[in-house]
Amino acid sequence: QQQVKQSPQSLIVQKGGISIINCAYENTAFDYFPWYQQFPGKGPALLIAIRPDVSEKKEGRFTISFNKSAKQFSLHIMDSQPGDSATYFCAATHSGTYKYIFGTGTRLKVLA
Amino acid sequence: SQTIHQWPATLVQPVGSPLSLECTVEGTSNPNLYWYRQAAGRGLQLLFYSVGIGQISSEVPQNLSASRPQDRQFILSSKKLLLSDSGFYLCAWTLTGSTGGGGANEQFFGPGTRLTVL
Repeated sequence: QQQVKQSPQSLIVQKGGISIINCAYENTAFDYFPWYQQFPGKGPALLIAIRPDVSEKKEGRFTISFNKSAKQFSLHIMDSQPGDSATYFCAATHSGTYKYIFGTGTRLKVLA
Repeated sequence: SQTIHQWPATLVQPVGSPLSLECTVEGTSNPNLYWYRQAAGRGLQLLFYSVGIGQISSEVPQNLSASRPQDRQFILSSKKLLLSDSGFYLCAWTLTGSTGGGGANEQFFGPGTRLTVL
């Protein structure tokens, strides 16, 4: 119930294409859903986050879509660039816990 | 602005040797602090978290321990390293009172320490 299931494990996209990474959760108490971007040898960097009171949040080329009824959320990277090649992690947490539950990560490669 | 530091950046240690990794946060007070481990090509495993000085919660009861001697300092230790302790160790922080709800939920990561146990 505490798991966050992330898919796909790896993704190859052409430059200019749309990258889509999906996450699903079971615990309906989760109320904060961040996405992190991690380059090799670096710590994860907070990319964008959403709360369940909205269905979509956009920051530049990055969009989170949130489906509360399906208990799913996804990251869309529009106009994907080679510089977006990294590992992406979704996460979830909720009031009353200090823990953040992370997905297993998606390794994205954008071909030039 | 807040900054998180970790050192050393890389470390190669023999099996059975002790370990001490340090994490410090600047620009905030009473943060919640976290230690994660990331195996090569894998996800993030929460090891410890702390919500205050001297308060440590352990998620993985192995040969690792953590301490928080000062408000913004978090230390990860081991008395005897195992081969399986190799990995990328990440420290992270959130604002105090960040229990997942409300407005202050962002968790920020440090640059990490690459530990290789031989």
